[in-house]
Amino acid sequence: AQSVTQLGSHVSVSEGALVLLRCNYSSSVPPYLFWYVQYPNQGLQLLLKYTSAATLVKGINGFEAEFKKSETSFHLTKPSAHMSDAAEYFCAVSVTGTGFQKLVFGTGTRLLVSP
Amino acid sequence: EAGVAQSPRYKIIEKRQSVAFWCNPISGHATLYWYQQILGQGPKLLIQFQNNGVVDDSQLPKDRFSAERLKGVDSTLKIQPAKLEDSAVYLCASRGGREQYFGPGTRLTVT
Repeated sequence: AQSVTQLGSHVSVSEGALVLLRCNYSSSVPPYLFWYVQYPNQGLQLLLKYTSAATLVKGINGFEAEFKKSETSFHLTKPSAHMSDAAEYFCAVSVTGTGFQKLVFGTGTRLLVSP
Repeated sequence: EAGVAQSPRYKIIEKRQSVAFWCNPISGHATLYWYQQILGQGPKLLIQFQNNGVVDDSQLPKDRFSAERLKGVDSTLKIQPAKLEDSAVYLCASRGGREQYFGPGTRLTVT
């Protein structure tokens, strides 16, 4: 079964520091992978997606992720954290079957940004 | 373009009561999802609709949860009777292409 694992339920960084949020996937077929961000009391917003084109994917708000098949990873990075980046981040894999397509999410990583 | 709308945003009920949530997807999106997000966890799919037909409800606790999507647009999710463990955020999403767009969610607290 396709799944994703997010390492680290909480990540703390200082403002201006590198952000690295880890996601590893398990899939027997080429996966479609997504990163979503969730701000307090809001729904999920798509940051970026990998759909088997370029392995380095650029998203909104300065985030990017690199698909590494050899490491089964799709880690999310941002060179310089802002206070406004503090939120919950979810990695997800798209699972497709006969007539259906759904997202399977990781458990999430809460990013804390300190001044 | 208007996003996915959900109401109410918050609901507090006692156990064994019933509750209903409403979702209006993005115009033109045929596929609609309901997810349950328990505190500290990622969203978990409850049910997927394609137009007004159910595609996948394998994770829906059918003894207490029901959902419908009449006319293939709006959808309602109902819980009857509610249990303490149903306390969660209920997210509605609709799909355009391969992307899912999420509403703000309904936070349910069962006391």
